[in-house]
Amino acid sequence: GESVGLHLPTLSVQEGDNSIINCAYSNSASDYFIWYKQESGKGPQFIIDIRSNMDKRQGQRVTVLLNKTVKHLSLQIAATQPGDSAVYFCAEILSYNTGNQFYFGTGTSLTVIP
Amino acid sequence: SAVISQKPSRDICQRGTSLTIQCQVDSQVTMMFWYRQQPGQSLTLIATANQGSEATYESGFVIDKFPISRPNLTFSTLTVSNMSPEDSSIYLCSGSMGISYEQYFGPGTRLTVT
Repeated sequence: GESVGLHLPTLSVQEGDNSIINCAYSNSASDYFIWYKQESGKGPQFIIDIRSNMDKRQGQRVTVLLNKTVKHLSLQIAATQPGDSAVYFCAEILSYNTGNQFYFGTGTSLTVIP
Repeated sequence: SAVISQKPSRDICQRGTSLTIQCQVDSQVTMMFWYRQQPGQSLTLIATANQGSEATYESGFVIDKFPISRPNLTFSTLTVSNMSPEDSSIYLCSGSMGISYEQYFGPGTRLTVT
């Protein structure tokens, strides 16, 4: 099967600093990538997405970078806040005739230190 | 967007029994999925719930163990049959709309089998 892995399982940052969460994917044919945030006791929540024909996409305080050469995805969170503490998953989506297939990474636990 | 609810939110069950988890979406979604998530780990897709037909199961998951129903575009159930302690996990329902890649997740059902 496909594999989507994260470089670091845990990350601690000081409040106000920027956070960078990394993700490696294995299939160069992936069409789409999504970052999800999962807070304790809740389901994953969509943060930001990027299509495979893009290199960068910005949202509110978040930026996703896609490097197809090395099959690497990153999520940058600006001015990290305590509410950003959560587990972050990247998801790789491949499109088939029968539908879309999602592959989730192992997750990075982000802790924001006040 | 779609808001997804699940019932029950958690349960403690004895081995050998079965539990049915309900998933309700507040709007019609094209696709519905069921995932399993071990604490501190990523999501594993169990199956795609198809309206009016048998679910499509991923490798390692079978209908006899995880029967799924989807009678309409807003509701699905997952049954965990003949449970063992190894089935203790969080079970998540999700849905996606039309051609969108985004998945909306329910809050999950935390199952403990004793």
